[in-house]
Amino acid sequence: EVQLVESGGGLVQPGGSLRLSCAASGFTFSRYDMHWVRQAPGKGLEWVSVIGTTGDTYYPVSVKGRFTISRENAKNSLYLQMNNLRAGDTAVYYCAREGTCSSVSCPLDYWGQGILVTVSS
Amino acid sequence: DIQMTQSPSTLPASVGDRVTITCRASQSISSWLAWYQQKPGKAPKLLISKASNLESGVPSRFSGSGSATEFTLTISSLQPDDFATYYCQQYHSPPWTFGQGTKVEI
Repeated sequence: EVQLVESGGGLVQPGGSLRLSCAASGFTFSRYDMHWVRQAPGKGLEWVSVIGTTGDTYYPVSVKGRFTISRENAKNSLYLQMNNLRAGDTAVYYCAREGTCSSVSCPLDYWGQGILVTVSS
Repeated sequence: DIQMTQSPSTLPASVGDRVTITCRASQSISSWLAWYQQKPGKAPKLLISKASNLESGVPSRFSGSGSATEFTLTISSLQPDDFATYYCQQYHSPPWTFGQGTKVEI
């Protein structure tokens, strides 16, 4: 059974840093692209970052230069280092697995339960 | 960036209704569109990929159609378990983008 379990969330002051982790199990982690997606309270879904199997990464403008996604295949773990946090980064953060399909990119077929990050003084 | 626009934002409905949600892309995304269902306090669940491919285990009352810039998600006969928020997402090119969501409510 595929499982994704996020940890590391909590309350942080504006300008602070936080590192999220996602522990993966039930599949060969190294063979899949992995994503972070966030959801502000009462709002919709916003894609945050992706890391490919070869380590290539992409970010939207909203977090580029502040967030860094990484992975440690030996530990079946995904990470999100978040620096210079702002109130607007307050959200539930989900890690998600990109499935396999006939395209270069594929939908997100498994999601973690999410972890809350609150940026406030 | 490719903008995804869903309509309506809220959809009042009753059990047994046929409901349709529309998703429009700001440029052609071919068929690289997914639909997700999200219930309060839960993670999104993938329902449909490549615009019309039903994921394993998803009830056949769900269907998707469309290509290029216009897509629809249809629930043929709404069941109590279907009251949720639905999101479309393009995976044609980064940054991956979601629609703003459609809440199907009683």
